[in-house]
Amino acid sequence: EDQVTQSPEALRLQEGESSSLNCSYTVSGLRGLFWYRQDPGKGPEFLFTLYSAGEEKEKERLKATLTKKESFLHITAPKPEDSATYLCAVIGSYIPTFGRGTSLIVHP
Amino acid sequence: GAVVSQHPSRVICKSGTSVKIECRSLDFQATTMFWYRQFPKQSLMLMATSNEGSKATYEQGVEKDKFLINHASLTLSTLTVTSAHPEDSSFYICSARDRATSYEQYFGPGTRLTVT
Repeated sequence: EDQVTQSPEALRLQEGESSSLNCSYTVSGLRGLFWYRQDPGKGPEFLFTLYSAGEEKEKERLKATLTKKESFLHITAPKPEDSATYLCAVIGSYIPTFGRGTSLIVHP
Repeated sequence: GAVVSQHPSRVICKSGTSVKIECRSLDFQATTMFWYRQFPKQSLMLMATSNEGSKATYEQGVEKDKFLINHASLTLSTLTVTSAHPEDSSFYICSARDRATSYEQYFGPGTRLTVT
């Protein structure tokens, strides 16, 4: 059974204080690892797909990396508008498995 | 690209009535659609997976007679909550993917259902 564990559950940062969110996973035959951002009362917004260990992707202040056991979402110099819940998901065979998410709050 | 819409965004209904939620992929063919339920401050709970033209596959514990899913075309799936009760009140989110091209799935904006 595929499993995804995200840590920390919640993270409070000051504006400009860089940090990383962790997504640990176990999956039989990784077909893809996905990061999403979800704002309250909205559907998740797709951020990145990573397919193999060593792969990295960037978008503005976000950078996602992947190893064989975990993925990190690095947030560089965050702004208050980066406040959201960040979800990680993996897909092995067919059905994606989501983590419980990390709730990020960035204070001005 | 990869836009998924949901309608309605909010719905309030009386206990015992049925409610239909539509999920549309606007710019791609959704060979697979997923329906999720999300409780406040909790993660996504997969309810069912549907492939175009096939019967939906429901997750354990989800009543298929209560949550009717139809995926009649490559751009439309519907979720009908039948004989709704207050405990069905929740945030329902659909997602869609074109498995012919990738495993990435794109989410709709969600539907807030309140049953009074």
